[in-house]
Amino acid sequence: QQQVKQSPQSLIVQKGGISIINCAYENTAFDYFPWYQQFPGKGPALLIAIRPDVSEKKEGRFTISFNKSAKQFSLHIMDSQPGDSATYFCAASTWHDMRFGAGTRLTVKP
Amino acid sequence: NAGVTQTPKFQVLKTGQSMTLQCAQDMNHNSMYWYRQDPGMGLRLIYYSASEGTTDKGEVPNGYNVSRLNKREFSLRLESAAPSQTSVYFCASSGSTNTEAFFGQGTRLTVV
Repeated sequence: QQQVKQSPQSLIVQKGGISIINCAYENTAFDYFPWYQQFPGKGPALLIAIRPDVSEKKEGRFTISFNKSAKQFSLHIMDSQPGDSATYFCAASTWHDMRFGAGTRLTVKP
Repeated sequence: NAGVTQTPKFQVLKTGQSMTLQCAQDMNHNSMYWYRQDPGMGLRLIYYSASEGTTDKGEVPNGYNVSRLNKREFSLRLESAAPSQTSVYFCASSGSTNTEAFFGQGTRLTVV
């Protein structure tokens, strides 16, 4: 069974809009929650990450919101750009295991 | 500034053949990982090595073996390839477990 559930599978947003991707996890032992961005033919690359002692982390146009009690976290991309078009993966990690969501294919239309 | 290097980039195998996927990192990382990526399933952990000399099973280890040859290199072996092992394989490394992982470019493997 998937330990990290990600939605939606695909997302189309107009340039300048807000993209929101959601994830939920099962294992309360997870204590590191990264988001990875992947372009076609490339390996995933870390975009932003959060630890459960904070509820929000912002880096430029990218924000993670984290709700420990609900075991949910989300990625918000403000002022979405065509260059943001990629597949996004959430992940949840313990010291020895990192589990990924199924991925969201984001398309930002100009 | 190579980071994580995987070879080969593409491979076609016949069912029952064996092969080894190679991975090397130049960041002096302790931890290394092998993932497979399949459409709609994200990345699934096959094996990991938390430090030189140790390896452990991940989520989907059946049909695979690994060797942590030294701190830099972590190889993945398919002893008898099956069509179900058709996938894109990624190697990754991190300074320790539970921190940012850096990924290679991937190996696209097709088993016919």
